[in-house]
Amino acid sequence: AQSVTQLGSHVSVSEGALVLLRCNYSSSVPPYLFWYVQYPNQGLQLLLKYTSAATLVKGINGFEAEFKKSETSFHLTKPSAHMSDAAEYFCAVTRFGGGKLIFGQGTELSVKP
Amino acid sequence: DTEVTQTPKHLVMGMTNKKSLKCEQHMGHRAMYWYKQKAKKPPELMFVYSYEKLSINESVPSRFSPECPNSSLLNLHLHALQPEDSALYLCASSPDRASSYEQYFGPGTRLTVT
Repeated sequence: AQSVTQLGSHVSVSEGALVLLRCNYSSSVPPYLFWYVQYPNQGLQLLLKYTSAATLVKGINGFEAEFKKSETSFHLTKPSAHMSDAAEYFCAVTRFGGGKLIFGQGTELSVKP
Repeated sequence: DTEVTQTPKHLVMGMTNKKSLKCEQHMGHRAMYWYKQKAKKPPELMFVYSYEKLSINESVPSRFSPECPNSSLLNLHLHALQPEDSALYLCASSPDRASSYEQYFGPGTRLTVT
């Protein structure tokens, strides 16, 4: 069965610093992996997705993630944090056979001026 | 148009009321979803519709009743809710249920049950 673990429920960085949000997955089949962002009182917005075409995936707002099969990881990075990046970030995997997104517990990103 | 819309934005209802949440998309997607999200938690899947037929019900209590009148619309009928049902209800859609497709989420309806 697929599952996702996000390490760190809260991450705080300074503006301009590197953002690293960690996600490890468990899947018995090649996974489809996603990162979503949720701003306060809003729905979820897709940042990027991995569907086996390329291991380094570029998304919106300067974010990217690298799929590492040997480490079962799909960490999200951004070279330079902006204040507007403060939000909740969810890593997710779809269950083989479709229809169900399995989310990690989320990581709240704070950006200090 | 890559937007999923939800109405109302906020809803306050008593435990004896009947109300409905509405979701609409015009992307031609054939899979639609209802999620429930409590504060500081990830969304929890409630229902999946595929080609207007209910395909997944995650053991949701019968006081929640989904309906898919056509390929663009998804409703969630609410009756005799409990205070613990207060949450953000999110609707999403995808081209179909295939695992590789991302889901597009609406802004949600903030429900408070008094």
